Parts: sequence; structure tokens; C-alpha cells
Amino acid sequence: TQLLEQSPQFLSIQEGENLTVYCNSSSVFSSLQWYRQEPGEGPVLLVTVVTGGEVKKLKRLTFQFGDARKDSSLHITAAQPGDTGLYLCAGAWNYGQNFVFGPGTRLSVLP
Amino acid sequence: SAVISQKPSRDICQRGTSLTIQCQVDSQVTMMFWYRQQPGQSLTLIATANQGSEATYESGFVIDKFPISRPNLTFSTLTVSNMSPEDSSIYLCSVVLGQGGAFFGQGTRLTVV
Repeated sequence: TQLLEQSPQFLSIQEGENLTVYCNSSSVFSSLQWYRQEPGEGPVLLVTVVTGGEVKKLKRLTFQFGDARKDSSLHITAAQPGDTGLYLCAGAWNYGQNFVFGPGTRLSVLP
Repeated sequence: SAVISQKPSRDICQRGTSLTIQCQVDSQVTMMFWYRQQPGQSLTLIATANQGSEATYESGFVIDKFPISRPNLTFSTLTVSNMSPEDSSIYLCSVVLGQGGAFFGQGTRLTVV
């Protein structure tokens, strides 16, 4: 049983479209991170959220942490081919400790 | 942030042999983490490497199969022993800096034939 679930598992969209990826758990996390991983590379940290209800923006990416700190969403506006990759959410129960990763959402943005 | 270098970046190995993966960090960190990522899958934690003590292994991973060294605060190695094709994966080392999330090396892509 996955501690973190992500949906959708796969997503293929046209350039310019908007999308939302979800990360859900029954556990409460002290922090939650989103990563993007491209083929042949390690995951790259996009954002860390720590406060319930927190919203962070990174250019066209908007991240939200659920009020109960059990879930999160990533919204991409006007997707571009460069956004293609595997998006992973990860939760931690204690600062400085290891994370548990979700199964990932594989995004493909077609030109 | 942290810069993490892993070597080798990829290797093809014969079954029954062993491969040691090196991980170098550009700053001193208390804990380093080793993950496995099987093809098309997410990351699974293998073990936590603490300087000056035995590594802590997650369920399903044992020291005889994945011995780990942590000789100082900037370096660690993971050995994949007596390899079989099922060990073909990407192996990643990682460090965590405060609340800033995890930073990863570029990974070692291992193929066992």
C-alpha cells in the first residue's frame, strides 16, 4: 500500500493547456515536496511546503498544501514541452529525515 | 542547496559480480540516503547512512546485499553485491538540508546481464 498516491499516473496534453496533478495521503506530514525528474537525471526539487493551506508559486507552477497537511496539488498554467517529465511528491514526518515518495505522474507536453 | 556527484553514471555488469557506487557531497551532512528507482517506478529508500555508525536499512534491504560505507561527512558508497538482473535499476544518493527538501545525485543506471 502506497503511503502517498498521485493522480493521474500519466498525462499527455498539448502545449498551452493547463493541468493539475494531485498527491494524497492518509498521513499528516510535517513537510511535503514536489520534484521533477527528467530521463537520465536525479529528481530536482521544485518546492517545499510546510504550512497547512500554504500556496507557493514558481513561475507557471502553483503548489498548494492541504489544510490538514495530508494532500497537495501542483497546477501548471500554459504547459510547455519543457515541462515534460516525471513529477514526484514526497512527504516527511520529521525535518531532516528521509522522505517517502509517491508513485509519480508522468507528464508529456506535445508541441 | 547541495551539489552531489555520483560515480559511475552508468554501468553494465555481469550477474554474480558486485558494483560500488560513490557519492560525494560538496558540504558536510549528517545523513545520506540511498534510493533505488526501478524502471518506470518511483523511488524506494534502501538505507540511511550515518557517519560513524552502521547504516539503517529499510524493510526488504539487507546489509549483506547492499553494504554501505560512510567514512566522513561528505562521502558514502553503496555496493550492490552478487548482482542479478533484478538489481537493474537507477541508484540515487541524496541529502536533506533542513526544511529545504532533498537533493539528489544524477543517479547510477545499472544494468545486470
